[in-house]
Amino acid sequence: DQQVKQNSPSLSVQEGRISILNCDYTNSMFDYFLWYKKYPAEGPTFLISISSIKDKNEDGRFTVFLNKSAKHLSLHIVPSQPGDSAVYFCAASDSGTYKYIFGTGTRLKVLA
Amino acid sequence: ETGVTQTPRHLVMGMTNKKSLKCEQHLGHNAMYWYKQSAKKPLELMFVYNFKEQTENNSVPSRFSPECPNSSHLFLHLHTLQPEDSALYLCASSQDHSNQPQHFGDGTRLSIL
Repeated sequence: DQQVKQNSPSLSVQEGRISILNCDYTNSMFDYFLWYKKYPAEGPTFLISISSIKDKNEDGRFTVFLNKSAKHLSLHIVPSQPGDSAVYFCAASDSGTYKYIFGTGTRLKVLA
Repeated sequence: ETGVTQTPRHLVMGMTNKKSLKCEQHLGHNAMYWYKQSAKKPLELMFVYNFKEQTENNSVPSRFSPECPNSSHLFLHLHTLQPEDSALYLCASSQDHSNQPQHFGDGTRLSIL
């Protein structure tokens, strides 16, 4: 049973608009969440993280929102740029095991 | 040279071969990880080393044997693999094994004939 789910395998957005990538989790023990970006033939690159004591973390064009009651997090990219086109993975861990559980990824395509 | 470097980038081997994957990190980190990514599946944690000690073996078959001679180097020795072991193998490192971002290498694409 997948503990971290990214239900949208792909997403297309116009350049300059907002991209919203979603992630759901089932384990209430998770207390640390991350987003990674992956280009073809490269390893995942860390983007942004959030601890469960917060509900929002912002870094430039990237903002992660955490809704603990809904067990849902989202990544907002605004404005979206063609260079943002990649596969985005969310991951979650708990402070007991520190094992990251990854979602299957969402392929974002930003159209120029 | 910075970051996490994995060699080789691609490897094709027969089921009876023995080969090794190498990972080297230049970030001064103390924890290193092996992950497996199969097609259409999420990344699966295989092994964790923290300060050169193995702290996690995620029920990985014994045909995969990790080795961590020091905090900068991690190997994955492969022996008698099966076709279902064909996957992308990713190495990662972090400052230590805690809630911190992990930095990934570009992976080794392994194909078992």
